[in-house]
Amino acid sequence: AQTVTQSQPEMSVQEAETVTLSCTYDTSESDYYLFWYKQPPSRQMILVIRQEAYKQQNATENRFSVNFQKAAKSFSLKISDSQLGDAAMYFCASPPGGSQGNLIFGKGTKLSVKP
Amino acid sequence: KAGVTQTPRYLIKTRGQQVTLSCSPISGHRSVSWYQQTPGQGLQFLFEYFSETQRNKGNFPGRFSGRQFSNSRSEMNVSTLELGDSALYLCASSVNFWRAENTEAFFGQGTRLTVV
Repeated sequence: AQTVTQSQPEMSVQEAETVTLSCTYDTSESDYYLFWYKQPPSRQMILVIRQEAYKQQNATENRFSVNFQKAAKSFSLKISDSQLGDAAMYFCASPPGGSQGNLIFGKGTKLSVKP
Repeated sequence: KAGVTQTPRYLIKTRGQQVTLSCSPISGHRSVSWYQQTPGQGLQFLFEYFSETQRNKGNFPGRFSGRQFSNSRSEMNVSTLELGDSALYLCASSVNFWRAENTEAFFGQGTRLTVV
């Protein structure tokens, strides 16, 4: 079964600093997308960034960027200039592949931002 | 544009009862997916509905069922509730059925179900 692994249950960063959240995945697909979602205390999952596996260029969305290493099946999220509002659970997700759509999520990383 | 609306936000039920949760997708979205979130198992996919048809189903027992109406609103039903069904149930809507290259899923705030 396809898996998504986030090895850091909790992370902490100082406001304005940079933090990197790790994610590894396992897929037999050659063409796929990877996602990072943010879940604040309000519980609503919000898409942070999406990476297309066939694109070598790492995706970037304002202060959020990814380091995508396809061969290593690694997909880390870098948050620059961390803000208090970035404090949340962060989930890495990938589709299971084949005809089974939708998303498989990692266990999540709880990010705290210190003022 | 209104987001994904889930009702109710909180629910307390007794073991053995059944429960129905509702999800209204974003206007124009035809796909609704349901996920269960628990501290132990994390987020797990339940099923996806598109155009009133179930397209995908996760690995959950038959006590979990769903349906979608012609206006794309979806309901999820859990019969014979067990303590382990206590969870946050999230639904996500997207324009089309799930294909990663053309889909961004928008999530609701979830329904917190507690089974006592």
